[in-house]
Amino acid sequence: AQSVTQPDIHITVSEGASLELRCNYSYGATPYLFWYVQSPGQGLQLLLKYFSGDTLVQGIKGFEAEFKRSQSSFNLRKPSVHWSDAAEYFCAVGAHGNKLVFGAGTILRVKS
Amino acid sequence: DAGVIQSPRHEVTEMGQEVTLRCKPISGHNSLFWYRQTMMRGLELLIYFNNNVPIDDSGMPEDRFSAKMPNASFSTLKIQPSEPRDSAVYFCASRQGAGGNTEAFFGQGTRLTVV
Repeated sequence: AQSVTQPDIHITVSEGASLELRCNYSYGATPYLFWYVQSPGQGLQLLLKYFSGDTLVQGIKGFEAEFKRSQSSFNLRKPSVHWSDAAEYFCAVGAHGNKLVFGAGTILRVKS
Repeated sequence: DAGVIQSPRHEVTEMGQEVTLRCKPISGHNSLFWYRQTMMRGLELLIYFNNNVPIDDSGMPEDRFSAKMPNASFSTLKIQPSEPRDSAVYFCASRQGAGGNTEAFFGQGTRLTVV
């Protein structure tokens, strides 16, 4: 069965600094990978997704993620964080049969 | 489209009462998911449907929980009897296709408090 690990529960970065959120997945075949963001009191919104092709994918709000099969990773990055990026970020893997499994989430705090 | 619509947004009920959460997926989407979110356990997949048929309910915590999807535009998640440990935010999500490679759209969630 597929699973997702987000090793960092909380991350704090300064506004304007770069950001990398880690995600490792476990799945026997080529996974479909997603990053979602959740603002307080809201549902989840898709940032970006990877299905195949170029391993570096661009998303909304200036985010990007890189799929590395050898490391079973799909880390999310942003070169310069804005205070409005403070939220909780979820990595997810979709697999055969349409199951969509999420990681535990990483809470991002942005300090000014 | 108005997106995935969940009702109610908030529900407070007493232990032992029946609770029914409702979800209207996006028109044309044929897959529907129910998730539960808590601080301790994060976002857990409870059950999902493809074309109104339950495919995997292994995440349903116990027999007190049941979910139905009588048609393509409506689903319910019922807890009977409810217990305080069921307090959580319950999300419904829908997506188009059944191949796993499409975006899932989430509702705003139902915050359930069982006292």
